Amino acid sequence: GDSVTQMEGPVTLSEEAFLTINCTYTATGYPSLFWYVQYPGEGLQLLLKATKADDKGSNKGFEATYRKETTSFHLEKGSVQVSDSAVYFCALSAGNNRLAFGKGNQVVVIP
Amino acid sequence: ETGVTQSPTHLIKTRGQQVTLRCSSQSGHNTVSWYQQALGQGPQFIFQYYREEENGRGNFPPRFSGLQFPNYSSELNVNALELDDSALYLCASSLSRGLKNTEAFFGQGTRLTVV
Repeated sequence: GDSVTQMEGPVTLSEEAFLTINCTYTATGYPSLFWYVQYPGEGLQLLLKATKADDKGSNKGFEATYRKETTSFHLEKGSVQVSDSAVYFCALSAGNNRLAFGKGNQVVVIP
Repeated sequence: ETGVTQSPTHLIKTRGQQVTLRCSSQSGHNTVSWYQQALGQGPQFIFQYYREEENGRGNFPPRFSGLQFPNYSSELNVNALELDDSALYLCASSLSRGLKNTEAFFGQGTRLTVV
């Protein structure tokens, strides 16, 4: 079935550092890909999405490019802030709004 | 403000009991999906309702059941609660028109603890 794999472990970095969170997927067909963010005590918020190969999703300084050849959708931000501390989930959907999520990565940004 | 509200926000139940969680969809949305998020894990799809009918189910036993009402609000019912049912339960609403779907908006979740 469809699945998403995120890199293991939390990510701790200093303010203004470069952030990368790896995400790879397995799916039949051509899924849409998403990054969601979850702040402490809150539900999920859509951060960005891409619906076809080579699309780049972007929002709030975050970017991710849909790479069909490597089945990847890595999240990047050039200069993180303390307010970016949260849990980030990569997800895919086959078009029916049923989302398959990765395990998530805790990001901690230190001032 | 996503417009998706869930109740209650927290509750504690005893093993073997039954629980009902509620979700009010965003205005204009006709599809509701429920997810279970265990501690430290990503959300897992439980099932989806579209126009009051179940429209897909994940790998969850029949003691997980649901309803969608004419106003598109929804309930998740879990019977014979087990300790492993302790999790954050998330509701997501969206608008489905044929093969087109809008973005799914999530509520803040209900934290269920089974003791």
